[in-house]
Amino acid sequence: KAGVTQTPRYLIKTRGQQVTLSCSPISGHRSVSWYQQTPGQGLQFLFEYFSETQRNKGNFPGRFSGRQFSNSRSEMNVSTLELGDSALYLCASSYGLAGETQYFGPGTRLLVL
Amino acid sequence: AQKVTQAQTEISVVEKEDVTLDCVYETRDTTYYLFWYKQPPSGELVFLIRRNSFDEQNEISGRYSWNFQKSTSSFNFTITASQVVDSAVYFCALSEGVASARQLTFGSGTQLTVLP
Repeated sequence: KAGVTQTPRYLIKTRGQQVTLSCSPISGHRSVSWYQQTPGQGLQFLFEYFSETQRNKGNFPGRFSGRQFSNSRSEMNVSTLELGDSALYLCASSYGLAGETQYFGPGTRLLVL
Repeated sequence: AQKVTQAQTEISVVEKEDVTLDCVYETRDTTYYLFWYKQPPSGELVFLIRRNSFDEQNEISGRYSWNFQKSTSSFNFTITASQVVDSAVYFCALSEGVASARQLTFGSGTQLTVLP
């Protein structure tokens, strides 16, 4: 099976802009979770989508949003970018069961100038 | 609230040495899951192992072994006869035992450098 794919891999934006990141899960997986990784805060959970519904959300401002499509592909959007949003954004997919292993994609490196 | 602590920020060893990466967790749940992931410089998190709270049996996979002790809330990872290719950041993570709260809580990671 093909792994989790994320596009784009690298992105440079300026403050105030918005950005959309995409994640295609492993075939058959219905759950997609997003994580932000920064040197200062480490790996932090953003949100999880399961069957097109947001099932869980981390402690991030409303500028961070996401959605999931019927084919389980997911997008996350960050509006009004701030310098502190510069990070590696990782998505992970799984079938959606409790305690199940989540498989990660290669990530999108976002740089906000 | 859940918490995972990886007290070792950086470890440097010479090839063929054994190395143990420590992980201590906190949770009030009786059902929970523990994971180890490896992150090479490319950035992708690579899954290594998953353990549930009811299975304290230690596991060995090639040069890798894991020691899970509920009494000390620890889930340590040992690499035997380390190799340069083992150089990476290693993360320990914890998740609850319910589908509605599946998010992973990660430790801060341990940077392992294996010198030739």
